Amino acid sequence: DTGVSQDPRHKITKRGQNVTFRCDPISEHNRLYWYRQTLGQGPEFLTYFQNEAQLEKSRLLSDRFSAERPKGSFSTLEIQRTEQGDSAMYLCASRESDVYGYTFGSGTRLTVV
Amino acid sequence: AQSVTQLGSHVSVSEGALVLLRCNYSSSVPPYLFWYVQYPNQGLQLLLKYTSAATLVKGINGFEAEFKKSETSFHLTKPSAHMSDAAEYFCAVTGSGAGSYQLTFGKGTKLSVIP
Repeated sequence: DTGVSQDPRHKITKRGQNVTFRCDPISEHNRLYWYRQTLGQGPEFLTYFQNEAQLEKSRLLSDRFSAERPKGSFSTLEIQRTEQGDSAMYLCASRESDVYGYTFGSGTRLTVV
Repeated sequence: AQSVTQLGSHVSVSEGALVLLRCNYSSSVPPYLFWYVQYPNQGLQLLLKYTSAATLVKGINGFEAEFKKSETSFHLTKPSAHMSDAAEYFCAVTGSGAGSYQLTFGKGTKLSVIP
């Protein structure tokens, strides 16, 4: 068990470019979550998958954001036409069921210049 | 709906002194409560969780927290601070009912430990 893996750790992109992040959850965890954390704030919920089904999306997830979990294993989060306001740490978490705690990855830090 | 308030965005303690980080929550259903620690440029590490069993919860690194329903609080304590405890701490809440999934976090408390 290697925990939750996120790739890349850091991403610098120019405004207007598209970026994609990957999350590999703990293998037996069927629940997967994406959060966004801006400087000086706690993480904010973006979206939730149970297996391959995306069951909930936050209002924070604008039309430029899309997330997938095609085979119920890894997940990707894509941001199109990035804006400076998208600069943040993007955290992925997984858990086995509603009873157990969430395990977070180390995050992907996005900087839009 | 749930919310979390962490009192004090920054707390400083001397090495060896008591650590007390405050968390109050609001929840429309019986809550599950969590404390996470975050070191610079790292993800979140679970310190401890309350899931309706014992109200006094012991976690890693000597931390513990007590769930007080009457006060809607879940304060984090450690008897003796160590330099390695310097980090940011987040309290979080989720509902305990079926289908509850979203963790709601407080804004965090940055703990500094003075030698």
